[in-house]
Amino acid sequence: QQQVKQSPQSLIVQKGGISIINCAYENTAFDYFPWYQQFPGKGPALLIAIRPDVSEKKEGRFTISFNKSAKQFSLHIMDSQPGDSATYFCAASLDSWGKLQFGAGTQVVVTP
Amino acid sequence: NAGVTQTPKFRILKIGQSMTLQCTQDMNHNYMYWYRQDPGMGLKLIYYSVGAGITDKGEVPNGYNVSRSTTEDFPLRLELAAPSQTSVYFCASTGTGSRGDTQYFGPGTRLTVL
Repeated sequence: QQQVKQSPQSLIVQKGGISIINCAYENTAFDYFPWYQQFPGKGPALLIAIRPDVSEKKEGRFTISFNKSAKQFSLHIMDSQPGDSATYFCAASLDSWGKLQFGAGTQVVVTP
Repeated sequence: NAGVTQTPKFRILKIGQSMTLQCTQDMNHNYMYWYRQDPGMGLKLIYYSVGAGITDKGEVPNGYNVSRSTTEDFPLRLELAAPSQTSVYFCASTGTGSRGDTQYFGPGTRLTVL
């Protein structure tokens, strides 16, 4: 079963708007939560990541919010740009072998 | 520094045929992974390796085999192709496998089994 549940499946946002993608997990042993960005025809690339000992991490226009008690984390894309149009995957890891459990992905379209 | 390279980019197989998907990395990474990506399903781990000669099953290993004879190469073998193996396959690598170590992905191989 999907250990990391991601929503929404897709979203459309206007240029300059905020994109919000949510993920929820069941296994409290997960202790590393990366977000990957994938453009059509390309492999995923790490965008930003967080550990559960912090509640928020910001890198440029991208912010992860983490709620340990609710077992949820989210990606916020501020001032969305057409170049941000891509599929975004949340993921979680719990062991030292680097194995990742991925969410189903969210296709983001930023309109001009 | 090419990173992670995969060949072929595209392939069409008939049911029952075999093929090997190639993956090579030039970053001297010990850890390598094979994922498959199906629409609306995210990426699922097929097999992974923590070093030359050491491999283990991931979440969806049935129908696949791997080997790791060198640090650089991690081929994925499909022995009897089935329509359920139609997917996009990604190879990834990371240096130490520890949490926080970035996984670098290849460009993918799109496989269709008819």
